[in-house]
Amino acid sequence: GAGVSQSPSNKVTEKGKDVELRCDPISGHTALYWYRQSLGQGLEFLIYFQGNSAPDKSGLPSDRFSAERTGGSVSTLTIQRTQQEDSAVYLCASSLGGGGSPLHFGNGTRLTVT
Amino acid sequence: EDQVTQSPEALRLQEGESSSLNCSYTVSGLRGLFWYRQDPGKGPEFLFTLYSAGEEKEKERLKATLTKKESFLHITAPKPEDSATYLCAVQASNYQLIWGAGTKLIIKP
Repeated sequence: GAGVSQSPSNKVTEKGKDVELRCDPISGHTALYWYRQSLGQGLEFLIYFQGNSAPDKSGLPSDRFSAERTGGSVSTLTIQRTQQEDSAVYLCASSLGGGGSPLHFGNGTRLTVT
Repeated sequence: EDQVTQSPEALRLQEGESSSLNCSYTVSGLRGLFWYRQDPGKGPEFLFTLYSAGEEKEKERLKATLTKKESFLHITAPKPEDSATYLCAVQASNYQLIWGAGTKLIIKP
């Protein structure tokens, strides 16, 4: 079956521009996570969606970052006024939800801010 | 404070040379410990979930074990295609995962 799909796979943008990253989770998965992975670093939690509940935004590094999930499916992560320190791989994952359910990851969007 | 530490940071082995990767954790109320494999340019790929001390799971040349303080990922007679970064994560709350920094495994032919 289809896995988690992320687009674009690569994005190069100029400092100060806004970018949108898209995630299509596995059908039927109610939980959706966004993570950021910098070179040689572990996964940094950004935001979590579960069904119709209010998202956990506690990992968003600044108010330039926002995310939404429409209809309980597709999610978009938006970064406004990008900075060079935003350069990283942004990973999306989905799961069935609930304790102990494994996460299934997309291949990420590599963002480069010049 | 909940924490996950993986060691070593990197491990180079000859093909066929068995070894183990370590994931030490401190967390209150473990709901699951996960192992993932990540290849360059790809997202992490799920390998195993362990739920309680004493549990073991196997897949091909990999075997994961769990105690109350740590988990080991044993790799038996590895092949070059086993080269990857192996990530460990623990789940303490309903959804939050705490990730280790990973072990980069290189298997030389």
